[in-house]
Amino acid sequence: GAGVSQTPSNKVTEKGKYVELRCDPISGHTALYWYRQSLGQGPEFLIYFQGTGAADDSGLPNDRFFAVRPEGSVSTLKIQRTERGDSAVYLCASSLTLTARDTQYFGPGTRLTVL
Amino acid sequence: DQQVKQNSPSLSVQEGRISILNCDYTNSMFDYFLWYKKYPAEGPTFLISISSIKDKNEDGRFTVFLNKSAKHLSLHIVPSQPGDSAVYFCAASAYSNYQLIWGAGTKLIIKP
Repeated sequence: GAGVSQTPSNKVTEKGKYVELRCDPISGHTALYWYRQSLGQGPEFLIYFQGTGAADDSGLPNDRFFAVRPEGSVSTLKIQRTERGDSAVYLCASSLTLTARDTQYFGPGTRLTVL
Repeated sequence: DQQVKQNSPSLSVQEGRISILNCDYTNSMFDYFLWYKKYPAEGPTFLISISSIKDKNEDGRFTVFLNKSAKHLSLHIVPSQPGDSAVYFCAASAYSNYQLIWGAGTKLIIKP
């Protein structure tokens, strides 16, 4: 079956602009996670959803970052007033249920470049 | 403060030999550990995991060893194959928390 998909694969924007990154999880997966990976680093947790609600958003760096999952499937990560430091690969993952023991399946990521 | 550390940014191994990737952690609350593999332009792919109640878990050519007293785990790949060339990430979680905490990764290069 289809894996996790993310669009766009690449996004170049100017400092101060607004961007939206989309994640389509594996069908039937109730848990969805967003991570950010900077160059030379491992993924860094941002937020995860159980169904439509954000179960834990403690990893969001500041209030310019916001994520939604209105129907419990597709999720959008929104970044306002982008800064050069936001440049990174944004990874989305989904798992069947919300437990650390459930395998997280990752999408290919969106590479965001803020000029 | 890095809670999960992979101190070797890269490792080169001859095809057919054993590859050993290492990972250290500092948080004694971690009780579940995973290894993910990542190819360029792809997301990480789950490889193998181990619970803190075990000290070894094996899956085909891949074996993970856990030394709780040393807060150290390692991934052994035997025999190494060209398709194993990738970046390997170690990750950990505490039972009470769903977050995965990741190391910075080790780039494994298998030489023919």
